[in-house]
Amino acid sequence: QQPVQSPQAVILREGEDAVINCSSSKALYSVHWYRQKHGEAPVFLMILLKGGEQKGHEKISASFNEKKQQSSLYLTASQLSYSGTYFCGTEQGQGAQKLVFGQGTRLTINP
Amino acid sequence: ETGVTQSPTHLIKTRGQQVTLRCSSQSGHNTVSWYQQALGQGPQFIFQYYREEENGRGNFPPRFSGLQFPNYSSELNVNALELDDSALYLCASSPGLRDNEQFFGPGTRLTVL
Repeated sequence: QQPVQSPQAVILREGEDAVINCSSSKALYSVHWYRQKHGEAPVFLMILLKGGEQKGHEKISASFNEKKQQSSLYLTASQLSYSGTYFCGTEQGQGAQKLVFGQGTRLTINP
Repeated sequence: ETGVTQSPTHLIKTRGQQVTLRCSSQSGHNTVSWYQQALGQGPQFIFQYYREEENGRGNFPPRFSGLQFPNYSSELNVNALELDDSALYLCASSPGLRDNEQFFGPGTRLTVL
């Protein structure tokens, strides 16, 4: 079951904040966040695991509500380089790494 | 440290043909996953290989098959190509199955005419 991301697109001015949400109808073991710039490969941002462990880049923050099967990615003081499409990938079983990706959220940062 | 590489970069085929896409995983990574990404969509999981064995498959027909070699590089084979197979094919490697980030290659853009 594909997770649902919201919003589908957002436009910000440099320095503004954004929140991207990812919601699943199934119980999750982990949520992975990636950013993809046009014509490039997806780049890892963060993994959030059931139980609270997180792995990722220091400047990125995110939350994972296991009961609600939801995750949110927080982008603060956005920079031009944050532009791209953000994907959440969900994993239902440990050790699987079989990610089911959402449809993406397109983020545009303007000067 | 060499990243994930894929070849070819672009490919044009006609319906009914067969295609082989290649992926070299990052050094030290024994797990490779393949994804299909249609324009404007998120990557869709095709299958995963762990230490030369298939370790799970997404909702793709049997004409999508793969291999992983002893050096952990991998191939994706697609038989009897259909127009809907036109997409970006991404491979991603990781250092194991548990709780690891996946490192994506630049992808192969396949066009089926």
